[in-house]
Amino acid sequence: DTAVSQTPKYLVTQMGNDKSIKCEQNLGHDTMYWYKQDSKKFLKIMFSYNNKELIINETVPNRFSPKSPDKAHLNLHINSLELGDSAVYFCASSRSVGDTEAFFGQGTRLTVV
Amino acid sequence: GNSVTQMEGPVTLSEEAFLTINCTYTATGYPSLFWYVQYPGEGLQLLLKATKADDKGSNKGFEATYRKETTSFHLEKGSVQVSDSAVYFCALTLNQAGTALIFGKGTTLSVSS
Repeated sequence: DTAVSQTPKYLVTQMGNDKSIKCEQNLGHDTMYWYKQDSKKFLKIMFSYNNKELIINETVPNRFSPKSPDKAHLNLHINSLELGDSAVYFCASSRSVGDTEAFFGQGTRLTVV
Repeated sequence: GNSVTQMEGPVTLSEEAFLTINCTYTATGYPSLFWYVQYPGEGLQLLLKATKADDKGSNKGFEATYRKETTSFHLEKGSVQVSDSAVYFCALTLNQAGTALIFGKGTTLSVSS
């Protein structure tokens, strides 16, 4: 059983489109995250939810909107995609806020053309 | 601010060589420290962690010791294998609500037979 699963694994789309990436965790964790990994492999936190409540919202364009329908799911919706949005997006979860260990999904490689 | 600095890569070694990847951190409070590994085409996996000063994390032959006096968490392995080829990330978390993992820029390790 995959602990943290993301779909799709690969996403190629044109500039200006709107797309979503889905994430689900079956670990019973309360906290979920979205990270962005750029072309140089640098990882940076974007958002975090705890029990469906937004607790971290780093400086990202408001074209990015996370949605958490329940504590096991955290989806990422991106409007009006731009070339610079091309990256690998990782979902992660942890048992609780500030918990020491996070579990990561396999990543979604987004390519905007 | 809080940050992690790790040595630039790539690191290229022959099989059975000794590995050191340096990592230093800056943090307010008392962070937990981690090494994550990313194999080609995969997500991040926790390799080892240490939650307080002088703790030693170890896993799969890798070790790192939390050194508060030098604010370091260097990763070592006595004899690397080809299968260790991956990107290694040093990271910290502040164990507080509203915080998430802060990553270094990653070090690519390439081991040849």
